[in-house]
Amino acid sequence: RKEVEQDPGPFNVPEGATVAFNCTYSNSASQSFFWYRQDCRKEPKLLMSVYSSGNEDGRFTAQLNRASQYISLLIRDSKLSDSATYLCVVSGGADGLTFGKGTHLIIQP
Amino acid sequence: DAGVIQSPRHEVTEMGQEVTLRCKPISGHNSLFWYRQTMMRGLELLIYFNNNVPIDDSGMPEDRFSAKMPNASFSTLKIQPSEPRDSAVYFCASSFGRGPDTQYFGPGTRLTVL
Repeated sequence: RKEVEQDPGPFNVPEGATVAFNCTYSNSASQSFFWYRQDCRKEPKLLMSVYSSGNEDGRFTAQLNRASQYISLLIRDSKLSDSATYLCVVSGGADGLTFGKGTHLIIQP
Repeated sequence: DAGVIQSPRHEVTEMGQEVTLRCKPISGHNSLFWYRQTMMRGLELLIYFNNNVPIDDSGMPEDRFSAKMPNASFSTLKIQPSEPRDSAVYFCASSFGRGPDTQYFGPGTRLTVL
C-alpha cells in the first residue's frame, strides 16, 4: 500500500521560533501536494498547495523534492495560533488522495 | 455562505444498531467525499461522488457500509450493523472538482459505538 509518512510529534516550539517538518510519500507517480491544518476537534482546512518551484504564503513556506519524494513546511515567527495538527496530502496516480496522519505542533508562550 | 452541513454532530449507539450520517454539500459543488478519521489510521477516504454518481468506493471498509447521494444537495452514509471498531469521526467534504485543494470539509460526526 502506498503511504504518506509524517512525524506525529508533538513539536513543542517557543513562540517566535522557526519550525519545519517534512512529509515523505512513496508513490512516485504522485502529482499534487498540499498541506492542510486541523485544529483540535475541528475539520481539516487547506493551508496551502505545494508547487514544484516551492511557494510562500506569509510566514509559511512549502517545498517539494521530487527526487527524494518529500515535501516540507516551514513556519517562521511562530504564533500561539499556529498550534494545530498539520496534515500532508498527496494526490495522483492510482491511489487517488492520501492523507498523512499529521504532525502535532504546540507553540508555547 | 453556509458551508458543508453534517448531522448529527455526535452519535452514540450500541453495537448492532443502524447508524445514518447525513451531509449537505455546498451549493454548486459537484463532488462529494466521505472520510473517516481515527487516531490509528488517520484520515481515510471512504467514497467519492461526482454529479451524484459514486465514482470510487474502494475505501468503503466492508458491506456494512453504504452511501447514497439521491440528489445534488444531500448524501447519507449508513452503517448496518454498527460495531465498536466503527467509532471514529466521519467527515463529509465537497468541491467543485476532484483535487484536495478545492475540498471544503464539514464539521464532522463523532460516532461512538458501545
